[in-house]
Amino acid sequence: GENVEQHPSTLSVQEGDSAVIKCTYSDSASNYFPWYKQELGKRPQLIIDIRSNVGEKKDQRIAVTLNKTAKHFSLHITETQPEDSAVYFCAAIRGKLIFGQGTELSVKP
Amino acid sequence: EAGVAQSPRYKIIEKRQSVAFWCNPISGHATLYWYQQILGQGPKLLIQFQNNGVVDDSQLPKDRFSAERLKGVDSTLKIQPAKLEDSAVYLCASSDLARGTGELFFGEGSRLTVL
Repeated sequence: GENVEQHPSTLSVQEGDSAVIKCTYSDSASNYFPWYKQELGKRPQLIIDIRSNVGEKKDQRIAVTLNKTAKHFSLHITETQPEDSAVYFCAAIRGKLIFGQGTELSVKP
Repeated sequence: EAGVAQSPRYKIIEKRQSVAFWCNPISGHATLYWYQQILGQGPKLLIQFQNNGVVDDSQLPKDRFSAERLKGVDSTLKIQPAKLEDSAVYLCASSDLARGTGELFFGEGSRLTVL
């Protein structure tokens, strides 16, 4: 079955800096890769996603890149703000959605 | 539109007791998921329903966990008997795969503490 590895587990940046979170997946047939943000005590919420026929997608300060050959995808957050502080989960789907272990992002003012 | 509803939000029980969680998905969403999220970890899929049929329950500890989705709408997840390691947040999610977006909409979760 699918296995998703996510790194780093924690990430601390200064406000205004960029943050990058990386994930690898094992099943080459996976075709959909969402990223979820989970604030403390709240539900995960989709922030951006990418399909396997696209290499990059951008939405304001957030971008996701996908390398199908290497089976990895990354989340890029530019001009980070304190409200970006949360746990971020990558996921891959082939029939069912499998989540990575999460990255706790801390943005220091 | 109304989101995914779950209850109860919090439950504290002793080990070997039983507990049940309820989920009402977004109207029209045929696919329903139950995830277990242990503190500090990513959500782990327990079971996935398509309408009232089970698509995947490979990670469900069937000796103690059971789930059903009668009539293809609401779903109930039961744990009997509970163990200490079942302490977690149980997240219900739904999606409309027929429209192809794949986005999961999560409920607020049911936090279980087993003492």
